[in-house]
This record gives sequence, structure tokens and C-alpha cells, in this order.
Amino acid sequence: ETGVTQTPRHLVMGMTNKKSLKCEQHLGHNAMYWYKQSAKKPLELMFVYSLEERVENNSVPSRFSPECPNSSHLFLHLHTLQPEDSALYLCASSPGSGGAFIDTQYFGPGTRLTVL
Amino acid sequence: AQSVSQHNHHVILSEAASLELGCNYSYGGTVNLFWYVQYPGQHLQLLLKYFSGDPLVKGIKGFEAEFIKSKFSFNLRKPSVQWSDTAEYFCAVKVLGTGANNLFFGTGTRLTVIP
Repeated sequence: ETGVTQTPRHLVMGMTNKKSLKCEQHLGHNAMYWYKQSAKKPLELMFVYSLEERVENNSVPSRFSPECPNSSHLFLHLHTLQPEDSALYLCASSPGSGGAFIDTQYFGPGTRLTVL
Repeated sequence: AQSVSQHNHHVILSEAASLELGCNYSYGGTVNLFWYVQYPGQHLQLLLKYFSGDPLVKGIKGFEAEFIKSKFSFNLRKPSVQWSDTAEYFCAVKVLGTGANNLFFGTGTRLTVIP
């Protein structure tokens, strides 16, 4: 148990659907992240939140929309996705505070997303 | 382009064999270095990390890694692998002073240990 949970663990959706991925961390951390893990490719950072404020957005398409209502919860809202968006979406958290992040990240189990 | 390279995509070893997985990066500044492991069906977890000081760092389960700055490398080693070490191993690099909180990951090396 890492202290970072993600739901759902598996999701199949059509290109016209709207769905959301949820991440929750029980570690008291201040920073949370969304990563995309595709086969044969490095993990790609999508979004970073520190103290509920977005600090990084690595040019992710607008069909992915993050939300961080508090330091323990992170959502990824999905709409009109493409088949190439099928991947494992990982959430992570780290202790980080303010502008000085501590770098060890704690990962959740991921959501396996399939877009038909 | 800046990158993290793990040249071994799949390594197959017998139990008790020695392991060395390569990791090279192309960033020129000060870095923090990590190895993460993902066991089958489990989440990514930290194996070990280097921030500063002794370039030989020891992690969990008998793993160690050596930071060689001149070679831009952070290879992972274990003198005697076990079947339970079967997993995927990811090297990651954090570049300091860039103002961004980002870990750059390699593509991973899958290790299969044969009993």
C-alpha cells in the first residue's frame, strides 16, 4: 500500500464519452502529478499541482482537464479522447512545499484506459 | 534533445547471476537520480536515489547504484538476483535549477529472472 489510490483501475470509453479519473493520497503530501505511461515510451508528465495550484502543464491536449480541489485529491477529466490516448495513467504525490519540491514521488497503481 | 537512456530493453538472468542495468542521461547540470521498480501487477515504487554525497548508493532488497558524473551514468547493480526481482526497472533524472518539478524517465528495462 503506497498511500496513493486511483479509481477506477480499468476504464473503457468511446471517443464521445466524458469520464473522470480520481486520485487520492493519504500521505500528507503537498504536490500531486498525472503521468501517462504508454508501451515502449518513457513516462510522460502531464500535470503538476503544488498546494492545489497547477505549476506545470507539459502541452497536454485540452481534451485532458485536471482538477485539484485540495491537496489530497486530484482528478483528470476526459472528453472526446482519441484511440491513441489509450494508456496507463499514473498519479503520484511528493512531499514538496512551495517552490522547493522534494523529489521522491509515490505512485498509485494507475488507471488502464482504453479508448475505442 | 535531453533524454534518459536505458539501452537494455529486456534482460534475462538465472537466479544468483549478477545484474547491471545501464542508465545514461544527457543533462549537463546538477541532477538528482532515481531508480524505480514496478513488480508485475504492482505500482511503481522507489528503489533508491542519489541526491549528493557518496556516489555509491544502496537501496532496498540489496540493490545499489553508482553515480559516475563524468560518464553521465547511474547504473543499477545487484550481485545475486532472485526470482522475486523479476520486474520492470525505470531510471529517472531530476534536473535541478530549472524551476520545473519534473522527473525525466527512461523507457524501462524488463528483468526476467529464471529460477
